[in-house]
Amino acid sequence: AQSVTQLDSHVSVSEGTPVLLRCNYSSSYSPSLFWYVQHPNKGLQLLLKYTSAATLVKGINGFEAEFKKSETSFHLTKPSAHMSDAAEYFCVVTRSGGYQKVTFGTGTKLQVIP
Amino acid sequence: GAVVSQHPSRVICKSGTSVKIECRSLDFQATTMFWYRQFPKQSLMLMATSNEGSKATYEQGVEKDKFLINHASLTLSTLTVTSAHPEDSSFYICSARDRARTNTGELFFGEGSRLTVL
Repeated sequence: AQSVTQLDSHVSVSEGTPVLLRCNYSSSYSPSLFWYVQHPNKGLQLLLKYTSAATLVKGINGFEAEFKKSETSFHLTKPSAHMSDAAEYFCVVTRSGGYQKVTFGTGTKLQVIP
Repeated sequence: GAVVSQHPSRVICKSGTSVKIECRSLDFQATTMFWYRQFPKQSLMLMATSNEGSKATYEQGVEKDKFLINHASLTLSTLTVTSAHPEDSSFYICSARDRARTNTGELFFGEGSRLTVL
């Protein structure tokens, strides 16, 4: 069994300030974890992924996330928010193997204030 | 690489008609494709999982006769909304797993299809 919790439905930051989007997971197995971004009326784009290699994962557009097994967390961070970062972000958990089910978080809407 | 093309991006139809949405993996073979429905300001709701050459597995509460899924090849899956009604209006998204990268669990998403039923 697996689940993922995104603790904040909305996050608002000023342009140029750090971004923190929180994600906690539970899994009976060693998980694979992902962050995806969705802009309005668009599909989902992969930001970064953790698949049991390095615990600090760097993604596109300056985002990174750290896998902390002891805290069952995979929080997404960025040092300095840009206006173009305003979007919906989804934390996703699955496990390796082509037929494994994927579980989505409920999403966090990031607002960037100029 | 790993591009998923979803078509059409927007479709408007009359109540009672059927609508087909295509999902194609352009540069990889997709062993498994997933179909989701997304309501405004909500997360993705998995509707069904389709594996190439076999019948789709539907999630609880999703009518298989209403939402027909066909995964006839390793690069194409289709979702047909039959006898569409206004309550079927939604954003539908497909995703696919790369046959060569199943160990990562990574999904590649289409751009989504906005269905409006009048």
